[in-house]
Amino acid sequence: AQTVTQSQPEMSVQEAETVTLSCTYDTSESDYYLFWYKQPPSRQMILVIRQEAYKQQNATENRFSVNFQKAAKSFSLKISDSQLGDAAMYFCAYREYGNKLVFGAGTILRVKS
Amino acid sequence: DTAVSQTPKYLVTQMGNDKSIKCEQNLGHDTMYWYKQDSKKFLKIMFSYNNKELIINETVPNRFSPKSPDKAHLNLHINSLELGDSAVYFCASSQDLTRFETALNYGYTFGSGTRLTVV
Repeated sequence: AQTVTQSQPEMSVQEAETVTLSCTYDTSESDYYLFWYKQPPSRQMILVIRQEAYKQQNATENRFSVNFQKAAKSFSLKISDSQLGDAAMYFCAYREYGNKLVFGAGTILRVKS
Repeated sequence: DTAVSQTPKYLVTQMGNDKSIKCEQNLGHDTMYWYKQDSKKFLKIMFSYNNKELIINETVPNRFSPKSPDKAHLNLHINSLELGDSAVYFCASSQDLTRFETALNYGYTFGSGTRLTVV
């Protein structure tokens, strides 16, 4: 079974600084998709960024970027110029060529002003 | 317009009762899901329906029964509620990735969640 591991239960970052959230996954597939979701206190699940495994280029969405290392099965999220509104629970998720999305346990991100 | 809407947002009920949570999506997606988020925030899939057909049924007590009258709706009915059923339940939808072509949008869209509290 596919597993997704987020080894950092909690992270803190100073406003305007950069933080990196870690994620590793286990799969025997070569084609799959990876995601980072943000869950603020409102509990809404918000898609932050996504990556297709067949693309070598790392995805970027404004202040959010990923470091996708396929051989290492690693998919970390970098948040630049952190803002107070970035404070939330962040989930890494994996989807293979089917319809099941598997989540990691989440990382709580705290942003200090 | 809300893409995936689920009702109610909050549900407080007594043990032993039967309750339903409704979900509707207006994105034209083929596949809908129910996820459970427990008190430790862990998200786990419960069910998946593709065009009204059940395709994923994880290890969930048979007190939980999904119903999909059409591909835009997936409701969750829970019988004989127990204290351990207290959680946040999320509905979601996505385009079908079992077809060979790559979907333009292969992410999931989630509803805002239903916080179920069993007392």
